[in-house]
Amino acid sequence: DQQVKQNSPSLSVQEGRISILNCDYTNSMFDYFLWYKKYPAEGPTFLISISSIKDKNEDGRFTVFLNKSAKHLSLHIVPSQPGDSAVYFCAASANSGAGSYQLTFGKGTKLSVIP
Amino acid sequence: DTGVSQDPRHKITKRGQNVTFRCDPISEHNRLYWYRQTLGQGPEFLTYFQNEAQLEKSRLLSDRFSAERPKGSFSTLEIQRTEQGDSAMYLCASRLHEAGELFFGEGSRLTVL
Repeated sequence: DQQVKQNSPSLSVQEGRISILNCDYTNSMFDYFLWYKKYPAEGPTFLISISSIKDKNEDGRFTVFLNKSAKHLSLHIVPSQPGDSAVYFCAASANSGAGSYQLTFGKGTKLSVIP
Repeated sequence: DTGVSQDPRHKITKRGQNVTFRCDPISEHNRLYWYRQTLGQGPEFLTYFQNEAQLEKSRLLSDRFSAERPKGSFSTLEIQRTEQGDSAMYLCASRLHEAGELFFGEGSRLTVL
C-alpha cells in the first residue's frame, strides 16, 4: 500500500521554464513533508520541507505547496536549470509510535531539464 | 567531511554469503536509520536506532538481517545467507532532532550473483 504517490515517473522541461512535480499521500497522520533530490550513485539530498500547519514554503528557486484537504503537495522549480536534472523524491513523516518519525518516500520523478 | 559515511560503497557477493555494511553518522546525531532502495522505488525504511537502542524495525527486515549500534555511534547492517532479491542500495541516514530532515549517506550498493 503506497502511502506516498508520485504518479509521474518522468518530466521533461525546457531550461528557464517552470518545473512542477506532484505528490499525493493517503495517510492523514503525516504532519511533515519533504522533497529530496537524488543523482545516480549518490544518496538523497534534502531540498525543501513544509510542516502541515503551512501551505507554502519558499527557498530560492524552489517552492513547495501543500493542500491538506486534497492530500496533495507540489514542488515548483523556477527557473529550471540543466543542473536540476535528477530524480526527485517526495517524503512524509508522522509519529510512528516508537518515536522514529521515519520518512515514507514516493517512487520518485525523474526530471530532465533540456538546455 | 562531516557527513554520513558508508562503507563499502559497492559489494558484489555470491548467493548464500554474508555481507556487512557500516555507517558512520554525523557525529552529534543520536538518531540513525537504515533504508533500502531498489530499482524504480523510493527508499524504504528498515530500522531505527536512538543512541544504541534499536527502537523500530520494518517488516522488510527479515530474520536474515541484523543491525547494531553498539556504542551509539557507528552502526552495522549484516545480511546473512544473501539472496538475489537482496540486491539493492542500502542507505544510512541520521538526524539530531526528533523529526525533520534526514541526512543520508551515499549508500552501499549490494549485488548478489
